[in-house]
Amino acid sequence: EAQVTQNPRYLITVTGKKLTVTCSQNMNHEYMSWYRQDPGLGLRQIYYSMNVEVTDKGDVPEGYKVSRKEKRNFPLILESPSPNQTSLYFCASSSTQRGSYEQYFGPGTRLTVT
Amino acid sequence: AQSVSQHNHHVILSEAASLELGCNYSYGGTVNLFWYVQYPGQHLQLLLKYFSGDPLVKGIKGFEAEFIKSKFSFNLRKPSVQWSDTAEYFCAVNARYGGSQGNLIFGKGTKLSVKP
Repeated sequence: EAQVTQNPRYLITVTGKKLTVTCSQNMNHEYMSWYRQDPGLGLRQIYYSMNVEVTDKGDVPEGYKVSRKEKRNFPLILESPSPNQTSLYFCASSSTQRGSYEQYFGPGTRLTVT
Repeated sequence: AQSVSQHNHHVILSEAASLELGCNYSYGGTVNLFWYVQYPGQHLQLLLKYFSGDPLVKGIKGFEAEFIKSKFSFNLRKPSVQWSDTAEYFCAVNARYGGSQGNLIFGKGTKLSVKP
């Protein structure tokens, strides 16, 4: 089944404790992206990747890191989480080839930083 | 820079009422247009999409959207809403450059509450 998976789905952590949220897709998509969703602010893009080893900042990259060493994986790293990073995070992927522009979303990771 | 505006933050309707959610974007070139829906507690799902061709696009669950290029708009419509349509709706746009696509930009979303 074509899907985007994220782990963990729920995470409660403390300020300053490094964490990684994994994202994996099995559709051989070139493009992957991370969003955070906050009430009243919609989805804001954190980072995106057009292909392996190609990443770029979105609208709200501060406090986050990403890497894209393999096509299927796009982990989101919070080196020193802070309470303002408490949010719902979504990973998404899509093909960049002609006629295949739809983004597929993961189930979300709800992060609480205390 | 591209941007997407959704005019209504929260829409409240009674069942069987008609729905129209506005979406405008700012980009002068060729675009792909999407509406996504997020039911309470769930992730985003594609409702419908427009790439080219007939500007009136039909999606799942009786939704449709019309692309009006001159107005840079892609409004979502449904003739008769149901309680189960209660969800948040997001318009999204990305620019197209030849055979590839640019980054996907989302609007802030519109919450739809349907009263039974």
